[in-house]
Amino acid sequence: DTAVSQTPKYLVTQMGNDKSIKCEQNLGHDTMYWYKQDSKKFLKIMFSYNNKELIINETVPNRFSPKSPDKAHLNLHINSLELGDSAVYFCASSLTENTEAFFGQGTRLTVV
Amino acid sequence: GQNIDQPTEMTATEGAIVQINCTYQTSGFNGLFWYQQHAGEAPTFLSYNVLDGLEEKGRFSSFLSRSKGYSYLLLKELQMKDSASYLCAVKDSNYQLIWGAGTKLIIKP
Repeated sequence: DTAVSQTPKYLVTQMGNDKSIKCEQNLGHDTMYWYKQDSKKFLKIMFSYNNKELIINETVPNRFSPKSPDKAHLNLHINSLELGDSAVYFCASSLTENTEAFFGQGTRLTVV
Repeated sequence: GQNIDQPTEMTATEGAIVQINCTYQTSGFNGLFWYQQHAGEAPTFLSYNVLDGLEEKGRFSSFLSRSKGYSYLLLKELQMKDSASYLCAVKDSNYQLIWGAGTKLIIKP
């Protein structure tokens, strides 16, 4: 059983398109995250979300929006994709804000 | 600003011991994590320190000094499969994880 699963694993798309990345966790965790890992391997938090609160990293463009249909899912929607959006995007979840995060396998997004 | 510093790359020999250092400056502190990330894969959790001292877990140990803003990850009896990047991350006062860029560890036979 995959604890945190995200799809697709690879995504190649043209500039200006809108795309979504799906994430699901079957761990019963309260908190989910989206991270961006750029070519320099820095992991940057984009969003953290639990049932009560969405925390947005203020540096994230508003073209990016998280959508959570329920506690087990946190999808990432991206509008008007730009070349600089190319990166690996990781979904993660943790039991609480204080505990370790479990990561999905990542989505390698390439914008051409 | 918030900052996590760790060496970019280290090389060690199979069977040996290596220590990977991490220094941090963050707005508040709610724990420090070490993760392992193999190339092309997701980070996986290794250890968590919130109090000063050494936490031992098999071949891996992690140390924390909050007063010095310093941690290290100690890997013993190195194996080839330990070749990976090791990421240090600190939870700040808002419980947001601030990540270092990672240390790429190369193990040679």
